[in-house]
Amino acid sequence: AQSVAQPEDQVNVAEGNPLTVKCTYSVSGNPYLFWYVQYPNRGLQFLLKYITGDNLVKGSYGFEAEFNKSQTSFHLKKPSALVSDSALYFCAVRDRGNNRKLIWGLGTSLAVNP
Amino acid sequence: DGGITQSPKYLFRKEGQNVTLSCEQNLNHDAMYWYRQDPGQGLRLIYYSQIVNDFQKGDIAEGYSVSREKKESFPLTVTSAQKNPTAFYLCASSRRDSQETQYFGPGTRLLVL
Repeated sequence: AQSVAQPEDQVNVAEGNPLTVKCTYSVSGNPYLFWYVQYPNRGLQFLLKYITGDNLVKGSYGFEAEFNKSQTSFHLKKPSALVSDSALYFCAVRDRGNNRKLIWGLGTSLAVNP
Repeated sequence: DGGITQSPKYLFRKEGQNVTLSCEQNLNHDAMYWYRQDPGQGLRLIYYSQIVNDFQKGDIAEGYSVSREKKESFPLTVTSAQKNPTAFYLCASSRRDSQETQYFGPGTRLLVL
């Protein structure tokens, strides 16, 4: 069955330190990969996506993610965390067929401490 | 939140009552989606529509109904058959290609009185 795993429910990092939010997937073929962020009581905001090409994708607010086909991972990274980055982060994947459905991870809560 | 609006922001339902959540988009997107979000469970797909006058059940469609009479609008009705409706409901839209990003509205929180 197709699935997405975000192995950490919560990640804590000090402001100014690099952050990583992990995502691994089990989807046939070469999927499309997405990261979204959600602030409390708000809708999800798109951060970045991998379609094809360079494995390192740059997105909004200084975030980037690296697609690793052999490890079936798409970890979200930022070189220097801000307190305002504290939020809930979701990884999602979709296969390249006609299936319109996104498969979602359960989310990782990021806390950046001043 | 882009060009997607959801109303109301908060909605209260009484026992046995049907309630309708509104979702409107001005992005000219063909596809629209409804998700339910519960703490610790991520997003679960209720219904989606790829084109006007057509929609498909998602993973948790029981107790819900939708219509897609206009491209811009995709209302969700939570019926009395949905026994645990308390949740945060999110509407999204996208272009038709599978690589296209889904953009989300601000959400509606449904509470049961």
